[in-house]
Amino acid sequence: AQSVTQPDIHITVSEGASLELRCNYSYGATPYLFWYVQSPGQGLQLLLKYFSGDTLVQGIKGFEAEIKRSQSSFNLRKPSVHWSDAAEYFCAVGGNRDDKIIFGKGTRLHILP
Amino acid sequence: EAQVTQNPRYLITVTGKKLTVTCSQNMNHEYMSWYRQDPGLGLRQIYYSMNVEVTDKGDVPEGYKVSRKEKRNFPLILESPSPNQTSLYFCASSRARTDTQYFGPGTRLTVL
Repeated sequence: AQSVTQPDIHITVSEGASLELRCNYSYGATPYLFWYVQSPGQGLQLLLKYFSGDTLVQGIKGFEAEIKRSQSSFNLRKPSVHWSDAAEYFCAVGGNRDDKIIFGKGTRLHILP
Repeated sequence: EAQVTQNPRYLITVTGKKLTVTCSQNMNHEYMSWYRQDPGLGLRQIYYSMNVEVTDKGDVPEGYKVSRKEKRNFPLILESPSPNQTSLYFCASSRARTDTQYFGPGTRLTVL
C-alpha cells in the first residue's frame, strides 16, 4: 500500500540558513511525488512535483527536491530560507491514474530572525 | 484567474443542523475532492468525484454526503453535524486523480 511519512513535525531554522525537509514514501511502482506549502490561513499550493525524468526537480520560490529511489526519499531543500517561508509543508505520493494521492501529516517550519 | 472557491469560509453551527459547504472550480477539471485537516492528522480525504454523477468514498466519509451534478460544483453536505466534525475543510480539483491538486482557501467549521 502506498504511504508517505514526514518524520519531523516541527523544524526551526534561522533566516538565511539552508533547509531540508524529509519525506519518505512507499509505493509499489514509479511514484508521483509532490510537495505542497500551506501558509497560515490559506489553502495548499503546489511547490513542485515529480512524475518522471531527472531526479532533481526545481520548484517555485527557490525550492528543489531530489528523489532517491534507493532510500525511498523525496526531500525538499532550499539553500537560504526567508521569513516568508514559515509555513506548513506537505509531501504527497500518488501513482498511475487510478491511484489516489496520499498526503503526509506535514512539517511546520519556523524561521528565527 | 484559475481558482477553486469555497463558501462559507467560516461557519459556527449547532449539533444536528444541516449545512452545506459549496465548492466551485473554473478550470474544467474532472476530478474533485474534499479533505478535512485536523492537528496531527494531516489531510484526510472525505469524498471524491471522478466526473459528473460519479462520486466515491474517501478515507473518512462517515457523516458526510456529496453530489456532482455539474462539472464545476462539488458541494459537501453535513446532514446532522456533530462536534467531532469540527475541522478545517478543503475542496480540491485536478485534471486527473493523481495530477496536481488545486485547493480552495478552506472552510473552518465549528459544531457546538
